[in-house]
Amino acid sequence: ELKVEQNPLFLSMQEGKNYTIYCNYSTTSDRLYWYRQDPGKSLESLFVLLSNGAVKQEGRLMASLDTKARLSTLHITAAVHDLSATYFCAVVLNTDKLIFGTGTRLQVFP
Amino acid sequence: DSGVTQTPKHLITATGQRVTLRCSPRSGDLSVYWYQQSLDQGLQFLIQYYNGEERAKGNILERFSAQQFPDLHSELNLSSLELGDSALYFCASSVGLAGGGMGTQYFGPGTRLTVL
Repeated sequence: ELKVEQNPLFLSMQEGKNYTIYCNYSTTSDRLYWYRQDPGKSLESLFVLLSNGAVKQEGRLMASLDTKARLSTLHITAAVHDLSATYFCAVVLNTDKLIFGTGTRLQVFP
Repeated sequence: DSGVTQTPKHLITATGQRVTLRCSPRSGDLSVYWYQQSLDQGLQFLIQYYNGEERAKGNILERFSAQQFPDLHSELNLSSLELGDSALYFCASSVGLAGGGMGTQYFGPGTRLTVL
């Protein structure tokens, strides 16, 4: 059974600081997604990572994938309040199922 | 706006009742997925349909069922409801591939179900 773990679960950080969210998964997969969810809202796709060593960047967020270590990271650079949300990684299982991590609730304060 | 629509937005019902949640995928998407999000279980994959056929099953209870119609909209039926079924139910859609595999899943706004 595929397990997807994220850490930390909660992250409170000051504006302007950098931090990294980690996503570990237990079995081989060929695809990993990062999603963002604002409170009470739907999930918004941020990145899809398709191969070992893949790196994607959008604004202050950068995601990377190491399939050998079964690890993905979401790095936040110079955080701003608008980044406050819950971030999920999700791993594809058997080409059809998307298994979500526990989520990381990020709060950015002045 | 992802292009995926779900109705209703909110649903309040009593234990033992049955409800139907509806989802319309993005134009051109053949795959529909259902997820349940609750505080204690997190985001759980329930079931996937591709072009009218069940493609994959997750942690879906026997009291729950789904189907995808010829116009590709999907319905999730929840019966004999229990307090623990209270959750946010999301539908997502993707292009999907006939041989398996999928593109990015785009999520609808969700239906918040409250069972009293």
